[in-house]
Amino acid sequence: GENVEQHPSTLSVQEGDSAVIKCTYSDSASNYFPWYKQELGKRPQLIIDIRSNVGEKKDQRIAVTLNKTAKHFSLHITETQPEDSAVYFCAEGTGGGNKLTFGTGTQLKVEL
Amino acid sequence: KAGVTQTPRYLIKTRGQQVTLSCSPISGHRSVSWYQQTPGQGLQFLFEYFSETQRNKGNFPGRFSGRQFSNSRSEMNVSTLELGDSALYLCASRVDSYGYTFGSGTRLTVV
Repeated sequence: GENVEQHPSTLSVQEGDSAVIKCTYSDSASNYFPWYKQELGKRPQLIIDIRSNVGEKKDQRIAVTLNKTAKHFSLHITETQPEDSAVYFCAEGTGGGNKLTFGTGTQLKVEL
Repeated sequence: KAGVTQTPRYLIKTRGQQVTLSCSPISGHRSVSWYQQTPGQGLQFLFEYFSETQRNKGNFPGRFSGRQFSNSRSEMNVSTLELGDSALYLCASRVDSYGYTFGSGTRLTVV
């Protein structure tokens, strides 16, 4: 079945530094890879996603890279700010994405 | 444009009871999915509905069921509640094959 491994489980960085979170998936049919940010007590919010026909996508300080051969994808946050502190989840979807399998989450803490 | 609305926000039930949770998707979104979020298991897929039909189902016991109405609103039901069913239940809607938007969830506590 589908499985997504996410690392690290916790990440602490200094404000202004970069943060990288990595995920590995197992299903070769996976074709959709979103990233969600969840602040404490709030709903998960989609921050960026990538489809299998693209190797990289960027949106301001956030970027995602996908390596289909190695079956892994990564989230890159540059110039981190305290408001970036949250739990980040990667996910993978197949067949049009009507089911997402989530990673276990990364608690990112941006310290002043 | 209103987001995904889930009611109620909080719920406390006793073991053995049943519960019904409601989800109103974003206007125009025909696909509604349900996820269970717990500290130990993370986010797990329950089921997905599209045009009143269940298209996919996760690995949950038959006590977990759902349905979707003609206006795309969805309900999920859990019967014979167990302590382990305590969780945040999240509903998500989307208009095409990608781009799920989550609601704020229903926090269910079983005592």
